[in-house]
Amino acid sequence: DTGVSQNPRHKITKRGQNVTFRCDPISEHNRLYWYRQTLGQGPEFLTYFQNEAQLEKSRLLSDRFSAERPKGSFSTLEIQRTEQGDSAMYLCASSSTPAGGQLFFGPGTRLTVL
Amino acid sequence: AQRVTQPEKLLSVFKGAPVELKCNYSYSGSPELFWYVQYSRQRLQLLLRHISRESIKGFTADLNKGETSFHLKKPFAQEEDSAMYYCAPLSGGSNYKLTFGKGTLLTVNP
Repeated sequence: DTGVSQNPRHKITKRGQNVTFRCDPISEHNRLYWYRQTLGQGPEFLTYFQNEAQLEKSRLLSDRFSAERPKGSFSTLEIQRTEQGDSAMYLCASSSTPAGGQLFFGPGTRLTVL
Repeated sequence: AQRVTQPEKLLSVFKGAPVELKCNYSYSGSPELFWYVQYSRQRLQLLLRHISRESIKGFTADLNKGETSFHLKKPFAQEEDSAMYYCAPLSGGSNYKLTFGKGTLLTVNP
């Protein structure tokens, strides 16, 4: 399968714990995005990488959130000291530079913070 | 402030009826606009983009700069069109960041 993959698909954690999600983009795509989606809302932009450089980070992301994309391949999104308000679907997407807004989304990781 | 609005959360039509999903935007300049769709238990995917002026699965979308709208239309809805639809402009000045509307859930009844 050459699509975007995300792991884990589901994560249940207790408040205060740290969690890490992984995204593997389509191999030839140099752009990678993280979005968050809560019930009744569209996906909200969190952060964007071009190759290994994180070029934009939304104000939605508090200091508890950090994302990396070492070597411009897979990416990880870590949430420290999780809060109940962090419960959401976390979506990863990738694209190639000329494609502008043509994003290929992964299946998402659903986080539940108890 | 840059904003995209999809005024209908839910839209229900009968098979064979025309359908129009509304999208209004407030962006400076001439944003590039997209419609994304999410079918049940599938991932979010691109349906169409306005610059390509194409018809995908019978859907078309016309950019109306005067009304700042980008409504999605299909003359004869099919049951398999039932899905969540999101309007998404590229954020002003950006060639990479999509901002999604809240979405419209379309149900096509038999």
